[in-house]
Amino acid sequence: GAGVSQSPSNKVTEKGKDVELRCDPISGHTALYWYRQRLGQGLEFLIYFQGNSAPDKSGLPSDRFSAERTGESVSTLTIQRTQQEDSAVYLCASSLLRASEQYFGPGTRLTVT
Amino acid sequence: DQQVKQNSPSLSVQEGRISILNCDYTNSMFDYFLWYKKYPAEGPTFLISISSIKDKNEDGRFTVFLNKSAKHLSLHIVPSQPGDSAVYFCAASYGNAGNMLTFGGGTRLMVKP
Repeated sequence: GAGVSQSPSNKVTEKGKDVELRCDPISGHTALYWYRQRLGQGLEFLIYFQGNSAPDKSGLPSDRFSAERTGESVSTLTIQRTQQEDSAVYLCASSLLRASEQYFGPGTRLTVT
Repeated sequence: DQQVKQNSPSLSVQEGRISILNCDYTNSMFDYFLWYKKYPAEGPTFLISISSIKDKNEDGRFTVFLNKSAKHLSLHIVPSQPGDSAVYFCAASYGNAGNMLTFGGGTRLMVKP
């Protein structure tokens, strides 16, 4: 079956530009998460969507970061006015309701020059 | 303030021997712990988990041990195989945080033939 997919796989952008990253979760998974992994570091939680509930945005590092999810499907993570410190691999994961096992996509490697 | 720590950034083991990866946590509210394995350019994949009501969970060559009083968990791989070479992340969650995972920084395991 199809796993979590993310696009693009790689994105190089100039400082100050906006970027949009996409995640397609596993069909039927009501929970969707965004994490990022900076070079040599662990995964850092960004935002969590669960069904129609208000998202948990507690991990977003600044107001330049935002995310949306359409129902229980696709999610987009938008970073406005990118900075060099935004360079990282952005990972999306999905899970069944109230299940702690999360399935990760391959990630989008963002490089801000 | 890192709530989940993996103090060994790397570990090298001979094929056939035991690999022991360690993880410490500070938040006593964590009640579910997971290990993920990550190959380069791929998302993390779930390996094994343990609930705080248990102190051991075994799945084939993989065993996770939980010591709640010490706030410590470990992953044992025996016998280790070259294909086990990857970065291993421990993660923790607790009920009222939904399923948001807090990850450690990862340990790179190298299994030498």
